Amino acid sequence: QVQLVESGGGLVKPGGSLRLSCAASGFSFSGYYMTWIRQAPGKGLEWVSYITSSSSRVYYADSVKGRFTISRDNVKKSLYLQMSGLRTDDTAVYYCARYDYHTSGSPFDYWGQGSLVTVSS
Amino acid sequence: QSVLTQPPSASGTPGQRVTISCSGSSSNIGRYPVNWYQQLPGTAPKLLIYSHSQRPSGVPDRFSGSRSGTSASLAISGLQSEDEADYYCAAWDDSLNGPVFGGGTKLTVL
Repeated sequence: QVQLVESGGGLVKPGGSLRLSCAASGFSFSGYYMTWIRQAPGKGLEWVSYITSSSSRVYYADSVKGRFTISRDNVKKSLYLQMSGLRTDDTAVYYCARYDYHTSGSPFDYWGQGSLVTVSS
Repeated sequence: QSVLTQPPSASGTPGQRVTISCSGSSSNIGRYPVNWYQQLPGTAPKLLIYSHSQRPSGVPDRFSGSRSGTSASLAISGLQSEDEADYYCAAWDDSLNGPVFGGGTKLTVL
């Protein structure tokens, strides 16, 4: 079965950096786009970034552009999010999700359990 | 302020039918398929409906989706207590050049 397991979250000071990882299993990782989505405490969902299956293209929400970097390792079946210049409003649970771009609607069809990132002094 | 507009709350009694609306524009719902996600308390979101009205395997047929113009709706019939959750609509948006979510609707089963 499809499994996505995030790790790397924690407490970081404003201006600091953190790297999230997402380990995938149960599907052909190299054949799928992948994405990061976040949810601030008590708030709704916000798309953060996505990466194509071969890493040829990456896209970011304006709120994180220039500060976050998405990447993947298809051999290790892992997705990453390098976050720098962190701000207090980046505090959120970060979910990795499989992005089924080639299915009508391009749904995020499987999600990890999430990793909490807290930015506070 | 979300690009897609949902009512913050909805409610119903067991067995009832409830609908949740999602209002957008010609740059998102009016042009692209809508997906719906269900987030049970304390858990990660789960895909509920994709491409306006398609159900992934395992999703009961009590859940249905539709689109009309620049709005979409999620309907839940035969409401059950375990349907109490937050529901989010989502679609691609040309103006933002990325996927966008509605603000979410908290469904309470009375």
